[in-house]
Amino acid sequence: GAGVSQSPSNKVTEKGKDVELRCDPISGHTALYWYRQSLGQGLEFLIYFQGNSAPDKSGLPSDRFSAERTGGSVSTLTIQRTQQEDSAVYLCASSPLNNQPQHFGDGTRLSIL
Amino acid sequence: GDSVTQMEGPVTLSEEAFLTINCTYTATGYPSLFWYVQYPGEGLQLLLKATKADDKGSNKGFEATYRKETTSFHLEKGSVQVSDSAVYFCALCGAGGTSYGKLTFGQGTILTVHP
Repeated sequence: GAGVSQSPSNKVTEKGKDVELRCDPISGHTALYWYRQSLGQGLEFLIYFQGNSAPDKSGLPSDRFSAERTGGSVSTLTIQRTQQEDSAVYLCASSPLNNQPQHFGDGTRLSIL
Repeated sequence: GDSVTQMEGPVTLSEEAFLTINCTYTATGYPSLFWYVQYPGEGLQLLLKATKADDKGSNKGFEATYRKETTSFHLEKGSVQVSDSAVYFCALCGAGGTSYGKLTFGQGTILTVHP
């Protein structure tokens, strides 16, 4: 199983708590993307990594959202002081290089109570 | 900025019917175009792609042709099956500038195929 792996698959937390979502891309893929899928907004781009740097953070909704990538591999998306509107499925994707077809993980379903 | 517009759903068909899901886009330059599919309870899967004008992407009996003149990438299948029931997303990947690399998605079209 060499696909994109995300954890946890489901996360329920109380409003105001911080959450960390993890993504393990396909081995050797240098480009990594985070998207959010919600009922009201559809699929939205959040942030893109090339290696460990993030040339495009334009989709992060607020300064409560941050992401990092280490070793050109695993990425963590952190949401601080969660709000109910953060409830969504967070999807991670990777590709060998940018502008090549992206392979998606199964997502983390985040529910804020 | 870049945008993708898909036909409103949901779409309900009988098995063996012909399927068309319309998709049009707005983008600068020459984007790559994709159709992704999301089966119930599963993640997004790449269905087909086209990278330049007049290219035809095809997979699993589905086809879509990159039409630069009409900025469209309509998805078609000649004979749908119950197993094709899923949500279909049209997407583009920008060709340059700040769009480079990220996908812009349409709103998705729910397809239900009845026996």
